[in-house]
Amino acid sequence: GQNIDQPTEMTATEGAIVQINCTYQTSGFNGLFWYQQHAGEAPTFLSYNVLDGLEEKGRFSSFLSRSKGYSYLLLKELQMKDSASYLCAVRFYNTDKLIFGTGTRLQVFP
Amino acid sequence: DSGVTQTPKHLITATGQRVTLRCSPRSGDLSVYWYQQSLDQGLQFLIQYYNGEERAKGNILERFSAQQFPDLHSELNLSSLELGDSALYFCASSVDDSHYGYTFGSGTRLTVV
Repeated sequence: GQNIDQPTEMTATEGAIVQINCTYQTSGFNGLFWYQQHAGEAPTFLSYNVLDGLEEKGRFSSFLSRSKGYSYLLLKELQMKDSASYLCAVRFYNTDKLIFGTGTRLQVFP
Repeated sequence: DSGVTQTPKHLITATGQRVTLRCSPRSGDLSVYWYQQSLDQGLQFLIQYYNGEERAKGNILERFSAQQFPDLHSELNLSSLELGDSALYFCASSVDDSHYGYTFGSGTRLTVV
């Protein structure tokens, strides 16, 4: 199988830092993506990791460990507009389709 | 505007009916993917087309079918609709092995009553 697991819900306070974890089955791994999705809207691309390490993009960073089948998305200086679902998606070899986790719903409180 | 166009945005229909959802990919993208997202569910992969040919199939029901036309637009046909088919249907497009994954359309919200 190609199970992708992430927490269902998380809450945080405005201005804080939150880390959203994602685990996946490593066999055939060929890249991991993070998307943001506001309710009822299309997912939008946040980050891409294919090698181990940290990719930083402004307030958002994403980390990957291929040997552990683990990634996280780090959101700093949280803003109210960051309240959304965050989707982890994995691409496997021999296909370019993405398998999505069920998403983590993040609620940011003042 | 992501460049991926889906129509219609909303659709309300009765059980047993048939509907067609349309998607125009971003200019230059040859791959089109269809996903279903039910309430509080993740994105479920339905089917992928690449340059007019079916490339991958996911958990797509036999009542559902799709095709990609020579101009690369795609249609998803849903027939004998059931209440449980109510969902958001997203189309996405990509170039092969893109570091940006997919570009999603704004989706079609289907409500079966």
